[in-house]
Amino acid sequence: DIVVTQSPLSLPVTPGEPASISCRSSQSLLHSNGYNHLDWYLQKPGQSPQLLIYLGSNRASGVPDRFSGIGSGTDFTLKISRVEAEDVGVYYCRQGLQIPFIFGQGTRLEIK
Amino acid sequence: EVQLVESGGGLIQPGGSLRLSCAASGFTFSDHWMHWVRQAPGEGLVWVARLNPDGRATDYADSVKGRFSISRDNAKNSLYLQMNSLRAEDAAVYYCARGVGGNCGGDCFFDYWGQGTLVTVSS
Repeated sequence: DIVVTQSPLSLPVTPGEPASISCRSSQSLLHSNGYNHLDWYLQKPGQSPQLLIYLGSNRASGVPDRFSGIGSGTDFTLKISRVEAEDVGVYYCRQGLQIPFIFGQGTRLEIK
Repeated sequence: EVQLVESGGGLIQPGGSLRLSCAASGFTFSDHWMHWVRQAPGEGLVWVARLNPDGRATDYADSVKGRFSISRDNAKNSLYLQMNSLRAEDAAVYYCARGVGGNCGGDCFFDYWGQGTLVTVSS
């Protein structure tokens, strides 16, 4: 199985400050189609998960441009340029390259 | 507006069976891969199963293989998860999610999720 590991698991951030979450894969997620099959989701408190970033670096529709995804192969990062109060929740990466699809453990972002 | 609405959760004894449903609207259901993802209380997300648009190709997580069965009725815009031989560790909120993305045969990522239905397994 291709396992993805997130760090940190807890991330306290002051509003207006940047934040980053790492996601490392046990195998390369770069497909022969040229895309990295790695997504990012945010689960806000009491809500269903929502898509933030797909194929490594593409922002989903409606996602603020303060969110960005970078990386390739086995190392990926979700960056938030300036954290806002509404960004609180648990962030998950997911590898979509190979069955079984596996999510990272989740990173809980909280406001200081 | 795309909507996914799960139903069918509830309290079931260990060893019992339950059938979850996911009613889809706002898009051409028969064009999309569909998935079930679960989340135990206080835990993370776990992918459970997926089904291709015509209902002929399935994949399952090892933890549910042989016990769970994913199916769909494209005429009714509905996705199902038949869960048999339920165990305490199957207790979770079950989400259906829509697969999308042309670069991966139509199943690159999950762009819409339902609100989930809670399954409790206890005697």
